Amino acid sequence: KAGVTQTPRYLIKTRGQQVTLSCSPISGHRSVSWYQQTPGQGLQFLFEYFSETQRNKGNFPGRFSGRQFSNSRSEMNVSTLELGDSALYLCASSLGSTGETQYFGPGTRLLVL
Amino acid sequence: DQQVKQNSPSLSVQEGRISILNCDYTNSMFDYFLWYKKYPAEGPTFLISISSIKDKNEDGRFTVFLNKSAKHLSLHIVPSQPGDSAVYFCAANLNQAGTALIFGKGTTLSVSS
Repeated sequence: KAGVTQTPRYLIKTRGQQVTLSCSPISGHRSVSWYQQTPGQGLQFLFEYFSETQRNKGNFPGRFSGRQFSNSRSEMNVSTLELGDSALYLCASSLGSTGETQYFGPGTRLLVL
Repeated sequence: DQQVKQNSPSLSVQEGRISILNCDYTNSMFDYFLWYKKYPAEGPTFLISISSIKDKNEDGRFTVFLNKSAKHLSLHIVPSQPGDSAVYFCAANLNQAGTALIFGKGTTLSVSS
């Protein structure tokens, strides 16, 4: 089975711009979660989508949003980018039931200048 | 407040010896614990997990021990190999579908030959 894929792998944006990141889960997985990794804060949960619905949300401002399509692919969007949004954005997929292991993609490295 | 703590930022071990990585948690409602391994510029790779109803889970060279009364878990790698050198993250979540993984800050393991 193919793993979780994320595009693009690297991205450079300037402050005030917006960005959209894409994640394709493992085939058959219906849950997609997004995480932000920074040196200072570590890995932090952004949100989780299951069957096209946001099921859980972390403590991030409304500039961070996401959606999931009927084929379980997910996108996350960050509007009005700030320097502090520079991070590695990771998505993880799972079957979506209780106790299911989440499998991560390689991440998208975002640099905001 | 950090709910999952990895108090040792780094650990150095000789090839062939045992590596022991530790993790403490504060939320007694956590029901499922996982260890991930991460190389730079890659997503975390799932290693091993343990449910709170168990106190030990083994998979090849990797064993995870859970002490619920102490709210402590550890990952043992025996024997350690140079290819094990990476950052190891401990993660926990609640026994509810869709809940976020809460990660520790990670421990960098260096295995020298």
